[in-house]
Amino acid sequence: DTGVSQDPRHKITKRGQNVTFRCDPISEHNRLYWYRQTLGQGPEFLTYFQNEAQLEKSRLLSDRFSAERPKGSFSTLEIQRTEQGDSAMYLCASSLSTGDSPLHFGNGTRLTVT
Amino acid sequence: QQPVQSPQAVILREGEDAVINCSSSKALYSVHWYRQKHGEAPVFLMILLKGGEQKGHEKISASFNEKKQQSSLYLTASQLSYSGTYFCGTSRNDYKLSFGAGTTVTVRA
Repeated sequence: DTGVSQDPRHKITKRGQNVTFRCDPISEHNRLYWYRQTLGQGPEFLTYFQNEAQLEKSRLLSDRFSAERPKGSFSTLEIQRTEQGDSAMYLCASSLSTGDSPLHFGNGTRLTVT
Repeated sequence: QQPVQSPQAVILREGEDAVINCSSSKALYSVHWYRQKHGEAPVFLMILLKGGEQKGHEKISASFNEKKQQSSLYLTASQLSYSGTYFCGTSRNDYKLSFGAGTTVTVRA
């Protein structure tokens, strides 16, 4: 169990640029989640995959956000035309499929949009 | 659907006890508790499924009142290592967690 890994750890970009983050979940976990966390707040749900299928996407997520999980392994989160309000910590988590399985979080990617 | 946590912050001396509350307006399937230290990822503490059970993790335990849609986290005989922000995550199904805003716990020597 090597844990959930995310890359990069930090990303600074200019407004209007596109960014892509990667998440490698724990290998035997078939559920993968993306959350966003801002200072002083709890993680906010963005989207969820069961294997390669994206089963739910937050209504708060604009069309500028897209996520993929090809082959049910790693996942990418892309933000197009970044805005200053996108600045946050983006957390990836994975879990098994049973209802009592905990989420294992990665260390996150901190995005700063200037 | 975001659960409400209270208090927002608590300061303790080593050895003191504290209770953190989490409440939801919706019927819940489960409640998760996580602790996050500054600059780190949230770390899982425990899960409570509907049924009103109480669980323990060293001197940290929790209860879930299914009828009231409330959960409480109990920190007993606090240690310096208990400092951090505690989040409850609530679920109405078996896969999607909504997190509260967190309770910051500071334990002082």
